[in-house]
Amino acid sequence: GQQLNQSPQSMFIQEGEDVSMNCTSSSIFNTWLWYKQDPGEGPVLLIALYKAGELTSNGRLTAQFGITRKDSFLNISASIPSDVGIYFCAGRFSGGGADGLTFGKGTHLIIQP
Amino acid sequence: DARVTQTPRDKVTEMGQEVTMRCQPILGHNTVFWYRQTMMQGLELLAYFRNRAPLDDSGMPKDRFSAEMPDATLATLKIQPSEPRDSAVYFCASGLVPDGDRVNAEAFFGQGTRLTVV
Repeated sequence: GQQLNQSPQSMFIQEGEDVSMNCTSSSIFNTWLWYKQDPGEGPVLLIALYKAGELTSNGRLTAQFGITRKDSFLNISASIPSDVGIYFCAGRFSGGGADGLTFGKGTHLIIQP
Repeated sequence: DARVTQTPRDKVTEMGQEVTMRCQPILGHNTVFWYRQTMMQGLELLAYFRNRAPLDDSGMPKDRFSAEMPDATLATLKIQPSEPRDSAVYFCASGLVPDGDRVNAEAFFGQGTRLTVV
């Protein structure tokens, strides 16, 4: 099946720093989504991207759908303590008509005050 | 505040017992997904339904797992008999896929059921 490579696996940063993480795939996806998961909770949708090259912002978060349709990145500007959590990329494969999402393994974001 | 509701939040059971997990999707959503999350495998799609009809259950072990939607407000995932390797967090998610003519892949997740099989 399709696999997503998400990096980095974890990040230790200082409060106020900018954060960047990305996902790559060997397959073409027609949709990219970014989720955040807090401990004991389900993933919460942050941003959805539907067109190659699309750049979308949600507050301090910015995500882009790569031109090749095989990658996406998420940036967080001026990180704050509540940004701590696990960030997942997810993609919907463009072939086969399947609607389920394929998830990356996640990026653990840890912020030191 | 519309949200996906899952019960129970936590379940500890003995190997061999039947486990049933329940999900109430967001009202108006036509697609319900079941995912399993483990440390080793991450989030994996088990099955999903569109308008209560099963569309894909290829991610689900067929011999012991079953998923149903008795009505539009209830989805169930059953494991019988349960095994220790089934220990994981099981998430239900719902979405409106498609949304009219709009391509929509957005899935909204519940809080999950943490299953421990001993």
